[in-house]
Amino acid sequence: GNSVTQMEGPVTLSEEAFLTINCTYTATGYPSLFWYVQYPGEGLQLLLKATKADDKGSNKGFEATYRKETTSFHLEKGSVQVSDSAVYFCALRANAGGTSYGKLTFGQGTILTVHP
Amino acid sequence: NAGVTQTPKFQVLKTGQSMTLQCAQDMNHEYMSWYRQDPGMGLRLIHYSVGAGITDQGEVPNGYNVSRSTTEDFPLRLLSAAPSQTSVYFCASSRTGEVSPLHFGNGTRLTVT
Repeated sequence: GNSVTQMEGPVTLSEEAFLTINCTYTATGYPSLFWYVQYPGEGLQLLLKATKADDKGSNKGFEATYRKETTSFHLEKGSVQVSDSAVYFCALRANAGGTSYGKLTFGQGTILTVHP
Repeated sequence: NAGVTQTPKFQVLKTGQSMTLQCAQDMNHEYMSWYRQDPGMGLRLIHYSVGAGITDQGEVPNGYNVSRSTTEDFPLRLLSAAPSQTSVYFCASSRTGEVSPLHFGNGTRLTVT
């Protein structure tokens, strides 16, 4: 079956540090890949997405590139801020047609804390 | 635009009690779903619906029922609560189509004692 594995957290960084959160996946075919962010007390929000190999998703200074050869979708940001403190989830959607569009498989989440 | 609204935000139940978690969306989304979030396990799909009158099971459906009588509402029913159902529950909706993102509510934190 489909699965997503994220690097274990928590991750603690100082402001302006470089961020990488690793994500690898197992899926048949050509899944779509997503990063969601969850701020304290809130639901998940889409951060960025990529729908085919070599696509780069980007938003709010975050980037992730869909690497089919390594089945990875690592999240990066060059300079984190305190306001980036949140839980980050990698997810995939197997594009199997039919009603598959809503069925996301999530990683376990990575807690990021950024200190001033 | 309220988006996806979940009620209540917090709930404590005793083992064996039943209750309904409410979810409503005002974006005219065809697709709605329920996830549970547990520490170290990410989110797992409980039930989903692709339109009014149509529901199907997700990854962890046991102990839960759903119905979809309108496009806007998708309640989740716990028939006989168990401590294993202690979790944070999220409702999400989207348009149809493989590139449409899920929109999440703010969650319901349920504790079963």
